[in-house]
Amino acid sequence: QKEVEQNSGPLSVPEGAIASLNCTYSDRVSQSFFWYRQYSGKSPELIMSIYSNGDKEDGRFTAQLNKASQYVSLLIRDSQPSDSATYLCAVNSGGTSYGKLTFGQGTILTVHP
Amino acid sequence: SAVISQKPSRDICQRGTSLTIQCQVDSQVTMMFWYRQQPGQSLTLIATANQGSEATYESGFVIDKFPISRPNLTFSTLTVSNMSPEDSSIYLCSVGREAFFGQGTRLTVV
Repeated sequence: QKEVEQNSGPLSVPEGAIASLNCTYSDRVSQSFFWYRQYSGKSPELIMSIYSNGDKEDGRFTAQLNKASQYVSLLIRDSQPSDSATYLCAVNSGGTSYGKLTFGQGTILTVHP
Repeated sequence: SAVISQKPSRDICQRGTSLTIQCQVDSQVTMMFWYRQQPGQSLTLIATANQGSEATYESGFVIDKFPISRPNLTFSTLTVSNMSPEDSSIYLCSVGREAFFGQGTRLTVV
């Protein structure tokens, strides 16, 4: 069974710090990797996608992918209280069925002033 | 990104009844996906809905419990049948390679 595991939380960081979220996956043929942010009572919102090994930066967010280690991470720089949410790692599990995702259990992040 | 509208946004239903959730997309898409998020849990894929063919269900989900319709390339429905309190969840539809989600349907079964 294809699995996606996220580092256990909850994670608490002070405002302005770097938050580091980690995720491992079991299916070696996975090609697409995503990070979603979910505020309480809201639906998940895509914040980063990554398809190739290495780093991808978008504003304060950096996604890192290492397919050999089956590892994907998300760094949030200069964390803000508004970043407090549940972060979900997701991996494409459908081959050419894009959009068919397996989600990790989520990591709750709290950024305290 | 696509704009996805789901109806209803929330509902409280009696056990034994059924609820049909609608998902409308502002552009034509080949596949639509239905997910369930149980309280305090992550998302689990229920099924993939292709226009013109039967939906493909994931392990643990069956058509009799979660019938799906996909009459055209912009619309799908998910029915939660013969509901029990264990069906209380958020149900979400998504489209696209990067899984853009609707606002979800929060279902409570009493």
